[in-house]
Amino acid sequence: EDQVTQSPEALRLQEGESSSLNCSYTVSGLRGLFWYRQDPGKGPEFLFTLYSAGEEKEKERLKATLTKKESFLHITAPKPEDSATYLCAASGAGSYQLTFGKGTKLSVIP
Amino acid sequence: DAEITQSPRHKITETGRQVTLACHQTWNHNNMFWYRQDLGHGLRLIHYSYGVQDTNKGEVSDGYSVSRSNTEDLPLTLESAASSQTSVYFCASSGAGTSGSYEQYFGPGTRLTVT
Repeated sequence: EDQVTQSPEALRLQEGESSSLNCSYTVSGLRGLFWYRQDPGKGPEFLFTLYSAGEEKEKERLKATLTKKESFLHITAPKPEDSATYLCAASGAGSYQLTFGKGTKLSVIP
Repeated sequence: DAEITQSPRHKITETGRQVTLACHQTWNHNNMFWYRQDLGHGLRLIHYSYGVQDTNKGEVSDGYSVSRSNTEDLPLTLESAASSQTSVYFCASSGAGTSGSYEQYFGPGTRLTVT
């Protein structure tokens, strides 16, 4: 059974204080690792897809990396508008289905 | 711009009633998915479809059904609503990976309350 675990559950940062969110996964034949952002009352918004260990992708203050067992979402010099819940999901070989983690709720304090 | 829409956005119904939630996408995606999101559980897959006339059960399919008669729509039906089905429901769609990508795009959600 595919499993995705995210840590921490919640993270409070001061504005400008860089940190990382963790996503560990157990998936048979990883096909893709996905990161989403979700604001309160809205649907998840796609951020990144990573396909193989060593791959990195960046968008503004966010950088996602992938190893054979984990993915990290690094947030550099965060701003209050980065406050949201960040979701990680994985798909296995031959499947378009995603298994989601429970998310990390990030709060950035001015 | 392509989008995915859900209706209604909010629904209150009584136990035992049949309820249908609508999902419509203009991405021309083959794959469509229904999830429910609850505190402490995250997003859980209810049903999914890989094309017209194709439907499959997900992790939490009991009490739900879907049908796919065209590419754009995948309505979700609660046959006899139960209080345990009070939740936020999200519809999503994705391509089939022919261009190398199959990320899912989500609708805005429907908040369903069963009293």
